[in-house]
Amino acid sequence: AQTVTQSQPEMSVQEAETVTLSCTYDTSENNYYLFWYKQPPSRQMILVIRQEAYKQQNATENRFSVNFQKAAKSFSLKISDSQLGDTAMYFCAFMKGTYKYIFGTGTRLKVLA
Amino acid sequence: NAGVMQNPRHLVRRRGQEARLRCSPMKGHSHVYWYRQLPEEGLKFMVYLQKENIIDESGMPKERFSAEFPKEGPSILRIQQVVRGDSAAYFCASSPLTGTYEQYFGPGTRLTVT
Repeated sequence: AQTVTQSQPEMSVQEAETVTLSCTYDTSENNYYLFWYKQPPSRQMILVIRQEAYKQQNATENRFSVNFQKAAKSFSLKISDSQLGDTAMYFCAFMKGTYKYIFGTGTRLKVLA
Repeated sequence: NAGVMQNPRHLVRRRGQEARLRCSPMKGHSHVYWYRQLPEEGLKFMVYLQKENIIDESGMPKERFSAEFPKEGPSILRIQQVVRGDSAAYFCASSPLTGTYEQYFGPGTRLTVT
């Protein structure tokens, strides 16, 4: 069965610094999709970044980038130039098949002024 | 272009009552998914529906829970005879197709059972 593990329950970072959130997953599939979602206190789930497993190039979205290591089944999120608005829960997710998300338990990130 | 809408945002029910949660997908989206988030946990898949069809309900508890997505109107997640353990945030998501498309989430309904 697919699993997603986020081993850092909480993290903090100073404003303008860089932080990396870890995620590992387990699957026997070769083609799949990985996602990072942000959940601020409003609880709205916001897509941060997506990675297709068949692509070797790491995805980037402005200040957000991933380090995708397929062989190691690792998918970490790097946030550069952290801002106060980045304070949120961050969930790593694996898409099983064509529609079923498997979410990790989340990392609570706090950006300090 | 309105996003996924859910109502109510907050719902309080006493044990034994029924809870009805509504989800209107984004315009043009015909695939709806329901997820449940227990406190301090990630979202867990419950059910996947298309118009008038339940495609996958493997994450739904066997009793008291049901879901529908009628030809007209919103998708409904219904919980009968609620218990305290049903207290959670329930999220609906929609997508235009399955496969490569990410799902767009609604703001969630927080159900509290007293």
